Amino acid sequence: KNQVEQSPQSLIILEGKNCTLQCNYTVSPFSNLRWYKQDTGRGPVSLTIMTFSENTKSNGRYTATLDADTKQSSLHITASQLSDSASYICVVSLYSGGGADGLTFGKGTHLIIQP
Amino acid sequence: ETGVTQTPRHLVMGMTNKKSLKCEQHLGHNAMYWYKQSAKKPLELMFVYNFKEQTENNSVPSRFSPECPNSSHLFLHLHTLQPEDSALYLCASSQEDVGENNEKLFFGSGTQLSVL
Repeated sequence: KNQVEQSPQSLIILEGKNCTLQCNYTVSPFSNLRWYKQDTGRGPVSLTIMTFSENTKSNGRYTATLDADTKQSSLHITASQLSDSASYICVVSLYSGGGADGLTFGKGTHLIIQP
Repeated sequence: ETGVTQTPRHLVMGMTNKKSLKCEQHLGHNAMYWYKQSAKKPLELMFVYNFKEQTENNSVPSRFSPECPNSSHLFLHLHTLQPEDSALYLCASSQEDVGENNEKLFFGSGTQLSVL
């Protein structure tokens, strides 16, 4: 069964610190991996999309890495800000032409930035 | 704003009520989706519409009935819901059907539904 596991489940860090969120997946064959940010009471917003041939992709202070061999991805947040408090969701796409049904969502990591 | 608008933002309904959720996208996209997000669970795909045609129905109970009158509007009609249907219902859109393509999903802010 295709699965996406995220860790930690929740994380509290001080403003200005860096942090790294993890995503492990069993989805195969793999097409692409996405990271979304979801603020409380809002819908998810896309941060990055990486194909199997990409190792890293940045979006401002967010940097995602991908190791397709070990089926692991990480999202690194640099110099955290209070506005980074949110849930971060990892989504892996199955390579099968299966459309939206081929997307497997993780449960997310709930990140809290404290002043 | 993502260009996808959902109304209402919050809804409380009894199990015998009939209500509808509305979604409108201003992005010129061809595909629209309904997702369910329950606490501490991954997003669950409910329905997919491509060019107004339903292409996915993920074994959703018949008490949920989607309607897509045109490529910009999507409705979710609700009737005789159960308390376990309480969740955040998210609408999303993409230019083409998302999946193995690197299409971005654009989500609305969702409707927080409580069934009493």
